[in-house]
Amino acid sequence: QVQLQESGPGLVKPSQTLSLTCTVSGGSISSGDYYWSWIRQPPGKGLEWIGYIYYSGSTYYNPSLKSRVTISVDTSKNQFSLKLSSVTAADTAVYYCARESATVNWFDPWGQGTLVTVSS
Amino acid sequence: SYVLTQPPSVSVAPGQTARITCGGNNIGSKSVHWYQQKPGQAPVLVVYDDSDRPSGIPERFSGSNSGNTATLTISRVEAGDEADYYCQVWDSSSDLSLFGGGTKLTVL
Repeated sequence: QVQLQESGPGLVKPSQTLSLTCTVSGGSISSGDYYWSWIRQPPGKGLEWIGYIYYSGSTYYNPSLKSRVTISVDTSKNQFSLKLSSVTAADTAVYYCARESATVNWFDPWGQGTLVTVSS
Repeated sequence: SYVLTQPPSVSVAPGQTARITCGGNNIGSKSVHWYQQKPGQAPVLVVYDDSDRPSGIPERFSGSNSGNTATLTISRVEAGDEADYYCQVWDSSSDLSLFGGGTKLTVL
């Protein structure tokens, strides 16, 4: 079955850019039935959708983060990536990648998540 | 903007039925999805499209959605059901996915 795995630095300095990659295995990222999404969860808090990308490269971002977010896809590597610029301590969170249904927008499966701490 | 409201906590004895609500304006017109998150783990989809179950999810988990309230029902609750539960919808008016604040289910 499809599995997702996040990778990237666990510590980012304030004002710098957070960069994470999600590797998809067990299925093709080029499936037209799905979007590929990023979701985050600050410690002890709830879930926040960041945005998604389609295999063609089209993207959609949470308006509250849109000015700082870039999601890209590399179909040859079956990977998609997240960049979040100008980070602050408020961006400290567990970041999840997930497959999103392109029709009714549920998320399944999710990656295990990776904690990114913003600190100097 | 659209808001999903969940009770912070629900407690139930083993073997009883737990009901977790998700309130939103005319939420009955949207597709609601539910996730279970155990400590230190990623969320898992347990109900999608209001009342459908992914393969591998026990029949004890069911959902309904009408009017201003969607409900996740867990029958014959087990200790292993203790977790945080989140509802989620796609809000077409603002074009984003929204999650409820989460409900902590405690099995007494």
